[in-house]
Amino acid sequence: GENVEQHPSTLSVQEGDSAVIKCTYSDSASNYFPWYKQELGKRPQLIIDIRSNVGEKKDQRIAVTLNKTAKHFSLHITETQPEDSAVYFCAALRSGTSYDKVIFGPGTSLSVIP
Amino acid sequence: GAVVSQHPSRVICKSGTSVKIECRSLDFQATTMFWYRQFPKQSLMLMATSNEGSKATYEQGVEKDKFLINHASLTLSTLTVTSAHPEDSSFYICSAFGTDTQYFGPGTRLTVL
Repeated sequence: GENVEQHPSTLSVQEGDSAVIKCTYSDSASNYFPWYKQELGKRPQLIIDIRSNVGEKKDQRIAVTLNKTAKHFSLHITETQPEDSAVYFCAALRSGTSYDKVIFGPGTSLSVIP
Repeated sequence: GAVVSQHPSRVICKSGTSVKIECRSLDFQATTMFWYRQFPKQSLMLMATSNEGSKATYEQGVEKDKFLINHASLTLSTLTVTSAHPEDSSFYICSAFGTDTQYFGPGTRLTVL
């Protein structure tokens, strides 16, 4: 089955700096890679996703890159703000099948220091 | 966007009792729903896949007789934690796929005394 690794486990940045979180996956058949932000005690919120037919996607301060050959993908947050502080999870799955279970990475706790 | 609800949001029970958690897709039909468990400062771990009208599929290491799943309709899946013990205390989250992405319920905080 799919196995997703994520680094770093914790990350502290100064407000305004960039933050990068990296993930690797094992199943070459995975073709959908969402990123979730989870605040304490709340549900995960989808912040950006990428499918295997593109290498990069950007939405304002957030971008995701995908390297299918190396089976890794990264989340980039620019101009970080204190409200970006949360736990971020990457995930990988085979979208489009009848069994779209999401396997999450272990998470990255991001702290943005004002 | 699509909405998934969970009930209750928080439950405290005594050891040995059973607790039922409901997961509903409010504005879409979900033939498949997923149940996750999340311990403090850890990731979401998939427990089982709930399939409407058929048996649930459990992940390795998850006791099917302890975590009973029923998916009787296209909008409702239930998870029953039977004979709960303190080690079952956790945050339980369900999810369902809408048209193009997965939507999570708000979660249920279970505390077993």
